[in-house]
Amino acid sequence: QKEVEQDPGPLSVPEGAIVSLNCTYSNSAFQYFMWYRQYSRKGPELLMYTYSSGNKEDGRFTAQVDKSSKYISLFIRDSQPSDSATYLCAMSEGRGSTLGRLYFGRGTQLTVWP
Amino acid sequence: DTAVSQTPKYLVTQMGNDKSIKCEQNLGHDTMYWYKQDSKKFLKIMFSYNNKELIINETVPNRFSPKSPDKAHLNLHINSLELGDSAVYFCASSQGGRGEKLFFGSGTQLSVL
Repeated sequence: QKEVEQDPGPLSVPEGAIVSLNCTYSNSAFQYFMWYRQYSRKGPELLMYTYSSGNKEDGRFTAQVDKSSKYISLFIRDSQPSDSATYLCAMSEGRGSTLGRLYFGRGTQLTVWP
Repeated sequence: DTAVSQTPKYLVTQMGNDKSIKCEQNLGHDTMYWYKQDSKKFLKIMFSYNNKELIINETVPNRFSPKSPDKAHLNLHINSLELGDSAVYFCASSQGGRGEKLFFGSGTQLSVL
């Protein structure tokens, strides 16, 4: 699955650290960019959602999209042990025959230790 | 009050058997999906239904047949199970067909022996 590349990690950081997660992609038609968080043995849950380029902040989480570089990032400030999970980026064109089709990265496994 | 629930949570079966996974959502969404997560954690779409109508049918073997009796339910039937079908299958739903904001179930771990 080459359309979306994501380093699987694992990534291990101390509590309070700033975490940076990122994905690259090849399809310039992607317009919608998402980050999902998946705890062990659970389904993914939507964390952040961005349309087109720019930044979006929600509490300790900031999502950035740079369409010119085909690069998206998720920053977690003041990371907590409860943030330990797998983070999956996802993207979609959101139009035409591809409506509803999300392309996921393989996820980055994050551990935040106390 | 589980939003997207799927059963069973675990499914262990022999090669060649036929099995079904059921999914129900109580969010009032009009679009439902089946995704497959392989051993490398890749999530890939299999099917989507919008108001009981098949919208996305990804390159999936004919042994996989989704059925949507109403917009709150989407079941997945698998015939003649093969070893390579072992994976976690996730049901999801969204409002509108764009699929950006998916709500996932907890998954069904299918193991084919």
